[in-house]
Amino acid sequence: QQQVKQSPQSLIVQKGGISIINCAYENTAFDYFPWYQQFPGKGPALLIAIRPDVSEKKEGRFTISFNKSAKQFSLHIMDSQPGDSATYFCAASKETSGSRLTFGEGTQLTVNP
Amino acid sequence: KAGVTQTPRYLIKTRGQQVTLSCSPISGHRSVSWYQQTPGQGLQFLFEYFSETQRNKGNFPGRFSGRQFSNSRSEMNVSTLELGDSALYLCASSPARGGLIPGELFFGEGSRLTVL
Repeated sequence: QQQVKQSPQSLIVQKGGISIINCAYENTAFDYFPWYQQFPGKGPALLIAIRPDVSEKKEGRFTISFNKSAKQFSLHIMDSQPGDSATYFCAASKETSGSRLTFGEGTQLTVNP
Repeated sequence: KAGVTQTPRYLIKTRGQQVTLSCSPISGHRSVSWYQQTPGQGLQFLFEYFSETQRNKGNFPGRFSGRQFSNSRSEMNVSTLELGDSALYLCASSPARGGLIPGELFFGEGSRLTVL
């Protein structure tokens, strides 16, 4: 059973636009929500992460919004750039589960120049 | 500092064969985990090793196994290969279980396995 649902599957935005990717989870025991960015031929790399006691976290052009009651969180990429074109994965984990992450299905983002 | 190194990067096997993949974690990292990435199933957790002990295992059949050595290097083995085992196998390391920041894993570039 998929425990983290991610949408959309693909996303095309124009340079300078806002990219928004949404995720929903089922397991209320999850207490850490990272986002990973993956370029073709590379492994995923941590982009930004949030804990459920915070509703929003911003790092540069990347912002995570978290809604604990709705069990949803989203990634906003402001002023999207062609270099942001990659696949983005949301994930969830429990601190007691060590390195076991449950990933969403991934969103392939294309930013047109 | 060198990143996570996985070998081989590409390999082709036939059904019924077995394969061993290797992972060298970032120096000083003691936790190694393995993930399978496929277009249909996405990224799925296989197992995690810490201090040479398997700490966690995902929902994969017993054909998938692994081990960790005293220098933290890890190997995973898949026996009796099936067509559905074709995937990118990713290794990730972290300084401790869950990393300094829980969920912060450092991934290698993966070993792409094709089963014919």
